[in-house]
Parts: sequence; C-alpha cells; structure tokens
Amino acid sequence: DTAVSQTPKYLVTQMGNDKSIKCEQNLGHDTMYWYKQDSKKFLKIMFSYNNKELIINETVPNRFSPKSPDKAHLNLHINSLELGDSAVYFCASSQEGYAVGTTNTGELFFGEGSRLTVL
Amino acid sequence: KQEVTQIPAALSVPEGENLVLNCSFTDSAIYNLQWFRQDPGKGLTSLLLIQSSQREQTSGRLNASLDKSSGRSTLYIAASQPGDSATYLCAVSVPSKIIFGSGTRLSIRP
Repeated sequence: DTAVSQTPKYLVTQMGNDKSIKCEQNLGHDTMYWYKQDSKKFLKIMFSYNNKELIINETVPNRFSPKSPDKAHLNLHINSLELGDSAVYFCASSQEGYAVGTTNTGELFFGEGSRLTVL
Repeated sequence: KQEVTQIPAALSVPEGENLVLNCSFTDSAIYNLQWFRQDPGKGLTSLLLIQSSQREQTSGRLNASLDKSSGRSTLYIAASQPGDSATYLCAVSVPSKIIFGSGTRLSIRP
C-alpha cells in the first residue's frame, strides 16, 4: 500500500507545453512538499504546504503553480515548459510536530519521483 | 542560512568493511536529522531519524549519531554488503523546511 504516490512516473514533452504532476499521500500527514532533483542529484525544496496552505515558495518561477485541493493531495502544474525544467520531481510528506514533547517525529516520506524531460 | 554538506561525494570499499559517512550542517538549531538511501532511478527511503534531543539511533547494521553543537552527524554501516551500494543523503529539519546534503555515492565491491 503506497504511502506517497505520484503520477506520472515519466513525462516527455516539448518546450512551451503545460504539464501537471499529481501527488497523493495516505499517511494522514498535514504537510506536503515538492522537491526538484537536478542532474547532479541535488535535492532542492520548491514548495511546502501545511493543511492546504502554502508555507514555503523557494523562489520558484511563477510558471510553477502548486495546488492542494485537500491535505492529502498536492499537485504541481508547470506552464510554458523550458529545457531547464528537465529534472526529477519528488513529492514528500511529513507530520509537522517539531515542538518539544510532541510525539510526532517529523519523518519525511517520499514518492518514487516523476522524471520530466523537456525537448 | 542553513547549509548541509556531505563529504566525500563518492566512496568505494570492499565488501565486509565497516564504514562511516559524514554529514555537517552550519546551524545547530535543527529539529531533527534524517538519513536516506536513494537507489538509481528510485525515490528516497528513510533509514534513520534522530530528534534534536537524541544522540544516536540504530537500525540493524546502521547507526546514526548526532552532535548538534559541532554540527555533525555520522552514519555508520557495519559489515558492508554489495546491496548497500546506493546514494546516501542526510537532511536537517528547520522551521517549515527540510534541507538536504548533496549525498555520498557508496559502492561496495564484492
């Protein structure tokens, strides 16, 4: 039973197109993230949402628009795709719980990734 | 600004050896530190999570330590096996963000 699932796993498209990647988690977590992993394998956070509200937008171009219809889903829509958008995009989730004494661990769970290739 | 560094970028050792992977971070104000494993073309699998109040965590042949004051964590792998070959990443949690190191690519030679 997959905890964090994202679709599609592979996406090949032309420059200028618009595409979406979907993510769902069945862990009951409040916080979801999108990360981008570039060709050098470096993972960089793009967005984080807590209970459907945007918490972090890490200077990502506004061609990238996340949407969270409910706290179990965080989709990523990309407009006017560029060559530099080619990467693996990872969705992740965690249960926020950083206060001392909380039983939540803040452990991060990842999806399998969506490899986007822009031609 | 929090920065996470992993050195070396790549490591190759013969099967059966014990080894240590290093992770350092610049700001000691973290909530927790997590070690992940990533196989080629796959997502990240959580290995160990250490809360900021803890010093170490163990799971099987893996032992992770945390020294917040010096900004360091180590992942110790005992009796390495070829199946341990993968990229290992550490990540630190700060308010509303989890920041990753660039990873150490580990290769275990049979």
